[in-house]
Amino acid sequence: DVKVTQSSRYLVKRTGEKVFLECVQDMDHENMFWYRQDPGLGLRLIYFSYDVKMKEKGDIPEGYSVSREKKERFSLILESASTNQTSMYLCASSTLQWDYEQYFGPGTRLTVT
Amino acid sequence: QQQVKQSPQSLIVQKGGISIINCAYENTAFDYFPWYQQFPGKGPALLIAIRPDVSEKKEGRFTISFNKSAKQFSLHIMDSQPGDSATYFCAAKLDSGYSTLTFGKGTMLLVSP
Repeated sequence: DVKVTQSSRYLVKRTGEKVFLECVQDMDHENMFWYRQDPGLGLRLIYFSYDVKMKEKGDIPEGYSVSREKKERFSLILESASTNQTSMYLCASSTLQWDYEQYFGPGTRLTVT
Repeated sequence: QQQVKQSPQSLIVQKGGISIINCAYENTAFDYFPWYQQFPGKGPALLIAIRPDVSEKKEGRFTISFNKSAKQFSLHIMDSQPGDSATYFCAAKLDSGYSTLTFGKGTMLLVSP
């Protein structure tokens, strides 16, 4: 069974803290993605990566960075968390060939106070 | 031009009824149109997808209808069941290079018993 796991289901951080969200996939997928999901705004792409050490900005990259040192792992970093980054964060992965079929993790609900 | 507009935002249907969710796009370079289903507490999962060279695709109770000239596509859920209660996202993908999915904002479907 394919699996995308995220390091935490719930996370509470303080404004200004550095936050790391980890995502691991066990499907040997080339592509990995980070989205945030907010009510009424749907899924918005933050960053994606199509290979190790490669990264591309999505629609809303401001305030975020990413790291992909290994194929199976894709990390989202909030350098200095702010309250407007309170959201549900979803990681996904896909193959290069079938890139419309993305497999999502269960999400991390991040609250920044 | 990259947007996918989805309606309605929420939908209540009686058990056994037909649920219809509509999406519209502007970019004629979109070449793949998947629908994702998300249950509470879970990440989205691919439900069904269509290319614009066909007008309809059916999988069980789920049907995508595609109108290329109108740049619209819709999801029909026949004989809707309470277990279909979920949030549905339409999406579109460019058929080129390292393309990403552009998601609609989602429709929250509630099927009443």
